[in-house]
Amino acid sequence: DSGVTQTPKHLITATGQRVTLRCSPRSGDLSVYWYQQSLDQGLQFLIQYYNGEERAKGNILERFSAQQFPDLHSELNLSSLELGDSALYFCASSVEGLVIKETQYFGPGTRLLVL
Amino acid sequence: KNEVEQSPQNLTAQEGEFITINCSYSVGISALHWLQQHPGGGIVSLFMLSSGKKKHGRLIATINIQEKHSSLHITASHPRDSAVYICAVLFYNNNDMRFGAGTRLTVKP
Repeated sequence: DSGVTQTPKHLITATGQRVTLRCSPRSGDLSVYWYQQSLDQGLQFLIQYYNGEERAKGNILERFSAQQFPDLHSELNLSSLELGDSALYFCASSVEGLVIKETQYFGPGTRLLVL
Repeated sequence: KNEVEQSPQNLTAQEGEFITINCSYSVGISALHWLQQHPGGGIVSLFMLSSGKKKHGRLIATINIQEKHSSLHITASHPRDSAVYICAVLFYNNNDMRFGAGTRLTVKP
């Protein structure tokens, strides 16, 4: 158990809908990362937050947004969902958000299926 | 061409064999991570390298910055090592990580 929690574990929804994925980092970790893993694209970095502020942005679509709250939990919002958004969404956390120095601890993931 | 190339794509070994998984990247990096993804989907970070070599138990990771290449070695492989191993790099002047497609390792008893 990494100490990172994600909810829900599974989510089934329809095209055009909006969903929110939630992540709670390990106790003491200030940085949260979001990743998408799909069958055709593999793992992709979406976005990173550190202590409530956006620190880095990867291949995140405009239909997707995220935020980190004062209690350090983070939410990833996916809107106008398309079939291609079906994927595993992972959250990870680290203490200082220094990717070149720190280990990231991954949550169990949320499996999203868009029908 | 993918910025991060892993080989082989799939690897089957007998228990006890020495395993090598390779990762090559196209431009200069500031760090490289090796991740392990279990059959159930969970991901564990194994190593983070910016130079040289690291060892943890039966796992060894090396990186050659000049050749833009890293290897992950598993000594005395065991069926519980069966997983997908993923290489991820952080390029210079770039805040996001790029991932290889992964190597699926199956170790048979």
